[in-house]
Amino acid sequence: DTGVSQNPRHKITKRGQNVTFRCDPISEHNRLYWYRQTLGQGPEFLTYFQNEAQLEKSRLLSDRFSAERPKGSFSTLEIQRTEQGDSAMYLCASSQGTAVFFGSGTQLSVL
Amino acid sequence: AQTVTQSQPEMSVQEAETVTLSCTYDTSESDYYLFWYKQPPSRQMILVIRQEAYKQQNATENRFSVNFQKAAKSFSLKISDSQLGDAAMYFCAYRSGRTSGGGADGLTFGKGTHLIIQP
Repeated sequence: DTGVSQNPRHKITKRGQNVTFRCDPISEHNRLYWYRQTLGQGPEFLTYFQNEAQLEKSRLLSDRFSAERPKGSFSTLEIQRTEQGDSAMYLCASSQGTAVFFGSGTQLSVL
Repeated sequence: AQTVTQSQPEMSVQEAETVTLSCTYDTSESDYYLFWYKQPPSRQMILVIRQEAYKQQNATENRFSVNFQKAAKSFSLKISDSQLGDAAMYFCAYRSGRTSGGGADGLTFGKGTHLIIQP
């Protein structure tokens, strides 16, 4: 499979716990993005990397959220002290040129 | 900031018929890209078609075509010969043509249109 890969597909956690998601982009794509999607809405931009540099963070990305992309390959998104409002689908995407390709997402449920 | 508006929360079409999904956007930029994505129940976002703003010719991908009206800031998607597998949420998205940082690379999505295919 040469598409964008995300793990895990589903995550259930208790409020206050930390969670980490992983994204493996399409090989050689230098840009990687994180989005959040809640039910009935379109995806909302969170942050993006060009290679290993995090170039932009949305206002949606609170201090409890941190993303990394060491070595410019895979990326991780960590949410600390999760809240019920963090429940959403977290989508990763990558691009090399114009088109942006998405992974299947990680569905987070915070109880 | 750019905004994308999809005014049709839901559309229904008979199998084999043609349907058009509407999208309008607001931007002060002249260089940008527009996309239609399909999101089936699996929630995988699938790129359907893309359009560069500098191109006057409307993009076409098999049964999918767009009507891009730059002056009107309109970007509708036409699906011909609708098939049951076309049933999904369809999202219109905008991307700035600027390549520098500052959020230029992030896609701005509309709220989506739920497309139902009647057999």
